[in-house]
Amino acid sequence: EIVMTQSPATLSVSPGQRATLSCRASQSVSTNLAWFQQRPGQAPRLLIYGASTRATGIPARFSGSGFGTEFTLVISTLQSEDSAIYYCQQYNDWPPLYTFGQGTKLEIK
Amino acid sequence: QLQLQESGPGLVKPSETLSLTCTVSGGSISTRNYFWGWIRQAPGKGLEWIGSVSYSGGAYYNPSLKSRVTISSDTSENHFSLTLSSVTATDTSVYYCARHPGGYGSGKGEFDYWGQGTLVTVSS
Repeated sequence: EIVMTQSPATLSVSPGQRATLSCRASQSVSTNLAWFQQRPGQAPRLLIYGASTRATGIPARFSGSGFGTEFTLVISTLQSEDSAIYYCQQYNDWPPLYTFGQGTKLEIK
Repeated sequence: QLQLQESGPGLVKPSETLSLTCTVSGGSISTRNYFWGWIRQAPGKGLEWIGSVSYSGGAYYNPSLKSRVTISSDTSENHFSLTLSSVTATDTSVYYCARHPGGYGSGKGEFDYWGQGTLVTVSS
């Protein structure tokens, strides 16, 4: 099983600033990685897939990068609505054995 | 617009079987190269993939749950289902159904549409 590790666990950033979230895989997943946003009481929402492609309707403030074992989600010009938990997910295996990171809680000060 | 909706009992007794259904509207579960999955989230915890069923009915499971899980689909009703046997309190979670593309060599597997989730509590 590929273990996904996210850091930091919690991040507190001021509105208008930029947040950088990291995700590391225990072995290479190429670019088979997605990022999700989960607000309290809601289902996760797909932000990024293929490590760097924004999902439909996701603003350009959200950008993903990385390859192999190291990935980054950058959220620029932070807004209060960005307060959420962010998860990464790998989908490199076939047959599928999908795994998620433990999440990064982003707080907007 | 594709929509998914989970349904089923919110309370299950220990040692019994949890059964949930995900009804899909706005699209067909037989659409080629799409899979239909279940993910759960224990209270205050992260996300765990339970398993998925393909557009052609083939099922794939998380090895950690494989001995207790069955996922099946009903194309006539356009829904897919989850059963989890011999439940314990640790199975108490919000259960989500979701769609993802996939297949051998596809390089895809991101969950792009989700249901709202349903809380299942295991308690006597």
